[in-house]
Amino acid sequence: DGGITQSPKYLFRKEGQNVTLSCEQNLNHDAMYWYRQDPGQGLRLIYYSQIVNDFQKGDIAEGYSVSREKKESFPLTVTSAQKNPTAFYLCASQQASANTGELFFGEGSRLTVL
Amino acid sequence: ILNVEQSPQSLHVQEGDSTNFTCSFPSSNFYALHWYRWETAKSPEALFVMTLNGDEKKKGRISATLNTKEGYSYLYIKGSQPEDSATYLCASSGSARQLTFGSGTQLTVLP
Repeated sequence: DGGITQSPKYLFRKEGQNVTLSCEQNLNHDAMYWYRQDPGQGLRLIYYSQIVNDFQKGDIAEGYSVSREKKESFPLTVTSAQKNPTAFYLCASQQASANTGELFFGEGSRLTVL
Repeated sequence: ILNVEQSPQSLHVQEGDSTNFTCSFPSSNFYALHWYRWETAKSPEALFVMTLNGDEKKKGRISATLNTKEGYSYLYIKGSQPEDSATYLCASSGSARQLTFGSGTQLTVLP
């Protein structure tokens, strides 16, 4: 089945440790996105990538890093510099040629920093 | 950053009732308006993507309208069913093409 796979679903880490969240898609989409959700707030854009080997900061990129070495994969690293890393993280993809195109989302990863 | 507001934040309706929610967004530099449905423990799924002022889209019992001049969109659900229970997200994009999401409307349909 075509779709977006995020892993792990749940992750616990100690403060000060870097964490990498995986996002893989087999939809052949060019664009991929990472969003963060906090209670009572809308999804906020962390990073996005319109093409392999290129990515842009979103609204809340500080403390995060990404890579886009393959079209299918867009991993997100939550670094120790991120002040409030505990949150729900959603990855999405989109046909880059259709900027009005719908986003396809994964099921999310919940990160808890102890 | 665009400011997208959704109301109400949550609501409960009885099975069979019709309901509607509002999404308001900045009307300047408008590009597209998205509606997503997000059931618990699942991925958000697109309902509608709308771009034209006056646009009206329908999918089964769910429909949406768009007013880009005044910056609002309505989502309507006719004859709500328990399976309609979900969080409904609205997102708008401007000239920068990046989507800004509202905080969602959480709908509970009581049997």
